[in-house]
Amino acid sequence: DAGITQSPRHKVTETGTPVTLRCHQTENHRYMYWYRQDPGHGLRLIHYSYGVKDTDKGEVSDGYSVSRSKTEDFLLTLESATSSQTSVYFCAISERAGATDTQYFGPGTRLTVL
Amino acid sequence: AQSVSQHNHHVILSEAASLELGCNYSYGGTVNLFWYVQYPGQHLQLLLKYFSGDPLVKGINGFEAEFIKSKFSFNLRKPSVQWSDTAEYFCAVRSNTGKLIFGQGTTLQVKP
Repeated sequence: DAGITQSPRHKVTETGTPVTLRCHQTENHRYMYWYRQDPGHGLRLIHYSYGVKDTDKGEVSDGYSVSRSKTEDFLLTLESATSSQTSVYFCAISERAGATDTQYFGPGTRLTVL
Repeated sequence: AQSVSQHNHHVILSEAASLELGCNYSYGGTVNLFWYVQYPGQHLQLLLKYFSGDPLVKGINGFEAEFIKSKFSFNLRKPSVQWSDTAEYFCAVRSNTGKLIFGQGTTLQVKP
């Protein structure tokens, strides 16, 4: 398994509260991604990073921000959590973004917003 | 917009039955295709992938998938399923923007 950890693994929070999820990798891969997984939707890309301090939006980025100050860490922040952000969040990494790229996933964080 | 469609949302099979999960995509150019599996309580794991070459791809645990360009399909197959194959299966396509687009997922339940 790729060396990817996510913290926390489970979190329950209240509407309006800021939340930060952390993804940590030991593979020194350049690319990192945040997805959310919801029933009937598969996985949808929230944000991704193509290097330290280089990030871009994905398909469902509203209400989320990210930061990457080190190669190994990619943070996802919900500035003011809403119930619609209750989901399972997966981090992924890849060495490249080209034709032979393969993404490897972390264990996930289950977030419940009450 | 590119999309991926998995026709079967929930499949129930008995052990030793054959499996085929459908996956169709909407992009007509060069594609990279993936199947991921998520066992209960675990993270997504790569099952197999197709980039080029032989359209019949073999993956882990006896799974295989066939890329049929004319049908825009990448169906997953296994000749004889086991109880341990109970999981959720996701098809994904790399778009021309380089990002992965996932299907909705298929939950497979194998009865012992």
